[in-house]
Amino acid sequence: KAGVTQTPRYLIKTRGQQVTLSCSPISGHRSVSWYQQTPGQGLQFLFEYFSETQRNKGNFPGRFSGRQFSNSRSEMNVSTLELGDSALYLCASSPEPGQANTEAFFGQGTRLTVV
Amino acid sequence: AQTVTQSQPEMSVQEAETVTLSCTYDTSESDYYLFWYKQPPSRQMILVIRQEAYKQQNATENRFSVNFQKAAKSFSLKISDSQLGDAAMYFCAFRGANSKLTFGKGITLSVRP
Repeated sequence: KAGVTQTPRYLIKTRGQQVTLSCSPISGHRSVSWYQQTPGQGLQFLFEYFSETQRNKGNFPGRFSGRQFSNSRSEMNVSTLELGDSALYLCASSPEPGQANTEAFFGQGTRLTVV
Repeated sequence: AQTVTQSQPEMSVQEAETVTLSCTYDTSESDYYLFWYKQPPSRQMILVIRQEAYKQQNATENRFSVNFQKAAKSFSLKISDSQLGDAAMYFCAFRGANSKLTFGKGITLSVRP
């Protein structure tokens, strides 16, 4: 069974640009969550999608958005990039949302550098 | 809101020795899960062990075990017979009813040969 696939693995963007990151969950998993990891703030929850609907949202500005497609693949978009958006963006998939006991499987992340 | 605290930023252990990583959390929920994740240099988060809050018995997975003290809201990870491959960043995480994971800041574990 293939794991969680995130593309691209590395990305360099200029301030003011926008970026789209992609996440393909494990086959059969319908819940996808996104996390931002930085040295200063650690791992912070961005949002969670299930059945093409956003279920949860973290405390991030509206420049951060996402969506989920009917095949459960998810994309997140960051508009008007700022230097502080440089981070490792991790995607996690679970079979179903709303269940505390469900293990979340992570991808290898996309390393975004904003210059 | 939940908080997870890992107060030690770094620890070092001699190969074959035992090391304990500390974690405390705060929540008003009664039903939740706690996790320890390992993040090696490859960056992929790997689940090490999980504990159900309503189970008093501490979880174990081979060389990894936890000391879960619910009243004290403490959840430490013990690694026995440490191996060079255990060197990584370790994150303690909380997952409650809303299913999002709340992570601690992490601890960098180094293993001395």
